[in-house]
Amino acid sequence: AQSVTQLGSHVSVSEGALVLLRCNYSSSVPPYLFWYVQYPNQGLQLLLKYTTGATLVKGINGFEAEFKKSETSFHLTKPSAHMSDAAEYFCAVSEYSSASKIIFGSGTRLSIRP
Amino acid sequence: NAGVTQTPKFQVLKTGQSMTLQCAQDMNHEYMSWYRQDPGMGLRLIHYSVGAGITDQGEVPNGYNVSRSTTEDFPLRLLSAAPSQTSVYFCASSSGARGSNQPQHFGDGTRLSIL
Repeated sequence: AQSVTQLGSHVSVSEGALVLLRCNYSSSVPPYLFWYVQYPNQGLQLLLKYTTGATLVKGINGFEAEFKKSETSFHLTKPSAHMSDAAEYFCAVSEYSSASKIIFGSGTRLSIRP
Repeated sequence: NAGVTQTPKFQVLKTGQSMTLQCAQDMNHEYMSWYRQDPGMGLRLIHYSVGAGITDQGEVPNGYNVSRSTTEDFPLRLLSAAPSQTSVYFCASSSGARGSNQPQHFGDGTRLSIL
């Protein structure tokens, strides 16, 4: 069964600094991978997804993630943090099968320091 | 478009009461799912459905029932509420029968407290 591990429940960076949120997955078959963002008191919104093809995936709001099969990782990055990026971020994994489940990580709360 | 609509937004129950959380989507999505969100635990899958008449268990199904009589609706039933079921519940849907390679559309959540 697939699983997701997000390293670091809380990450704090300065405005303008690099954002790096870590996600490692476990899957017995090639995975589908997603990053979602959740703002306070809201549901989740898709940032980006990897299904097949190019391993560097660009998403909304300047975020991108790279699928590294050898490292079973799908880390999320943004070159320059903005105050509006403060939110909780979730990595999710699923597998192509007859009735697949989509499993989420425990989340990383991103804080931005002025 | 309404997207995924969850009702109610807030609910307080007493231990042992039953209730149904409603979820409806107007996007003709085949895949629907229910999650609960608890601090430090992310979203945990309760039940999911790949189409009308088909449901299956997720990671934490105990204490919850679901049914999928139509494509649009996917209600979640708590048969006998327990304090451990205090949580925020999210319903989500995505296109495709397997749904696994498509982004999920989330409702705004139902905040449930069990006293």
